[in-house]
Amino acid sequence: QKEVEQNSGPLSVPEGAIASLNCTYSDRVSQSFFWYRQYSGKSPELIMSIYSNGDKEDGRFTAQLNKASQYVSLLIRDSQPSDSATYLCAVKIRNFNKFYFGSGTKLNVKP
Amino acid sequence: GAVVSQHPSWVICKSGTSVKIECRSLDFQATTMFWYRQFPKQSLMLMATSNEGSKATYEQGVEKDKFLINHASLTLSTLTVTSAHPEDSSFYICSATRMDTEAFFGQGTRLTVV
Repeated sequence: QKEVEQNSGPLSVPEGAIASLNCTYSDRVSQSFFWYRQYSGKSPELIMSIYSNGDKEDGRFTAQLNKASQYVSLLIRDSQPSDSATYLCAVKIRNFNKFYFGSGTKLNVKP
Repeated sequence: GAVVSQHPSWVICKSGTSVKIECRSLDFQATTMFWYRQFPKQSLMLMATSNEGSKATYEQGVEKDKFLINHASLTLSTLTVTSAHPEDSSFYICSATRMDTEAFFGQGTRLTVV
């Protein structure tokens, strides 16, 4: 079983809609959770980090963490074509200095 | 956010030669640096984890004698692909952690072996 699982997509949403990206993880001692955005041919860039249960908002982005369900999500409000990219979920396990990445969800925002 | 600089951004080399890729954390001391490889339309594959002053920890299936990693200081790690072959052509990306929390990525190096 993979440590971090994501639906590969593609997820298509119209411009202005809310895009919802989901991620599940298998290790219950996972400590920190991250969302990265990767444009084609580029390296990943950090969008959000979340460490405790609940919601964390940053501009148009909201990360949601539910440790009991081992689930983390990313909501993108007012989606723009420039948001079209692959979104990677990453998990860091307590006491292990290693990040586990999901395979990524490709998001297409249609104008 | 923190800045991680990777150099070169692209390189073409002949089969059998070696290529060195540098990864620097510009505005923070990186306790740990990671090296990834990514083939087209595939996910990141962790190759190795390096800590300053100690030997790198390689993931299963990654040849340590082929992919030499040196982490000479808290701001610099290098990956040398030795005796490169066309199948080593890939996108190599480093990342560095700041205070063992978030990981920041370099720009990546596109290696083409001809």
